[in-house]
Amino acid sequence: RKEVEQDPGPFNVPEGATVAFNCTYSNSASQSFFWYRQDCRKEPKLLMSVYSSGNEDGRFTAQLNRASQYISLLIRDSKLSDSATYLCVVSKIQYGNKLVFGAGTILRVKS
Amino acid sequence: ETGVTQTPRHLVMGMTNKKSLKCEQHLGHNAMYWYKQSAKKPLELMFVYNFKEQTENNSVPSRFSPECPNSSHLFLHLHTLQPEDSALYLCASSRVGEGGISYEQYFGPGTRLTVT
Repeated sequence: RKEVEQDPGPFNVPEGATVAFNCTYSNSASQSFFWYRQDCRKEPKLLMSVYSSGNEDGRFTAQLNRASQYISLLIRDSKLSDSATYLCVVSKIQYGNKLVFGAGTILRVKS
Repeated sequence: ETGVTQTPRHLVMGMTNKKSLKCEQHLGHNAMYWYKQSAKKPLELMFVYNFKEQTENNSVPSRFSPECPNSSHLFLHLHTLQPEDSALYLCASSRVGEGGISYEQYFGPGTRLTVT
């Protein structure tokens, strides 16, 4: 089983749609969680950290469910510029400061 | 923009060449990383440096040789590479807290390497 698993997609949605991605992780001792965004042929960029209480940043909402070991990202009112690959990232203390990246979920927002 | 710079941005080299990739972070972080990203594949961690000390070598072939002279600079020395080493090489930096807890990593723009 992969340490971090994501549905690769692609998710094809119209502008204005709400779309949700889930990610599962295998190590229950994982400590820190993030969502990154990666545009084609560019570097990953931090979208948001994910906290136990859930957090929201504008149109983006992240949730963490430790009991079920999954993380979610909700994007409301999708824009064309949201088209990218979204990476779920998990770290764990036993591995020092190593971050484990999921393979990513592709989102395509169309007009 | 992110405070992590990489040079060169593009590199084409023959299999017998020796070249070096450079990374510099301006964020005051204490850990730096090299990643490899091949086409349509996830990020692969190559090396980790904490406070200038290498703490992880993720089974990387010896034709890749990292160097970290200080907490702001990281190099990746390349020699006798193979065509399958063609990829995007990304540098990242982060703060590391007590007990090794990892904070978010910030990436440089990468070096797109082509080995001919």
